[in-house]
Amino acid sequence: EVQVVESGGGLVQPGGSLRLSCAASGFTVNSYYMSWVRQAPGKGLEWVSVIWTGGSTSYADSVKGRFTISRDNSKNTVSLQMNSLRAEDTAVYYCARDVGKPSDYWGQGTLVTVSS
Amino acid sequence: EIVLTQSPATLSLSPGERATLSCRASQSVSSYLAWYQHKPGQAPRLLIYDASNRATGIPARFSGSGSGTDFTLTISSLEPEDFAVYYCHQRSNWLTFGGGTKVEIK
Repeated sequence: EVQVVESGGGLVQPGGSLRLSCAASGFTVNSYYMSWVRQAPGKGLEWVSVIWTGGSTSYADSVKGRFTISRDNSKNTVSLQMNSLRAEDTAVYYCARDVGKPSDYWGQGTLVTVSS
Repeated sequence: EIVLTQSPATLSLSPGERATLSCRASQSVSSYLAWYQHKPGQAPRLLIYDASNRATGIPARFSGSGSGTDFTLTISSLEPEDFAVYYCHQRSNWLTFGGGTKVEIK
């Protein structure tokens, strides 16, 4: 059975760091492109970052230089290291595979709150 | 970056009515356009991929059309569970989402 479970969310102060993790089961993360997508309170979906099957990465302009996506094939996980966090990074963060394709699958999300 | 513009922002309709949602891309995305349904507290649900293909388990009342820059999602007869926010998404050039259309009960 396919499962994607996010963890690592929580409350962090502005300027702080947080690392989100996405644990996959039922498939191997290096066989799909894996994305982080977020939804801020009262806002729409925003794609944050993606790691492609070949290992290359892409980022939204809003997080470029602050966030880093990585993949651990041995643990079958994808992570999002978030540094220099801002209030506007407050959102539910979803981990998803193959967004936009019939093989897509999403986790239930983890909440990140950036506040003093 | 390809910008996706959805209209209208809100659609107020009654159950049984037809809903027509629009998504316009700032440049051609070929047919690499998907539609998602999103309800509070749930993960987004893929309805349509590659512009016109229904995802597994999606009822026939949902249909998608278009190519290039103009796309449409049609719900032929709204069921109570269809009231939600709908997003278009492109994967032609990087990945982006539209701003969403909220379909609300009139």
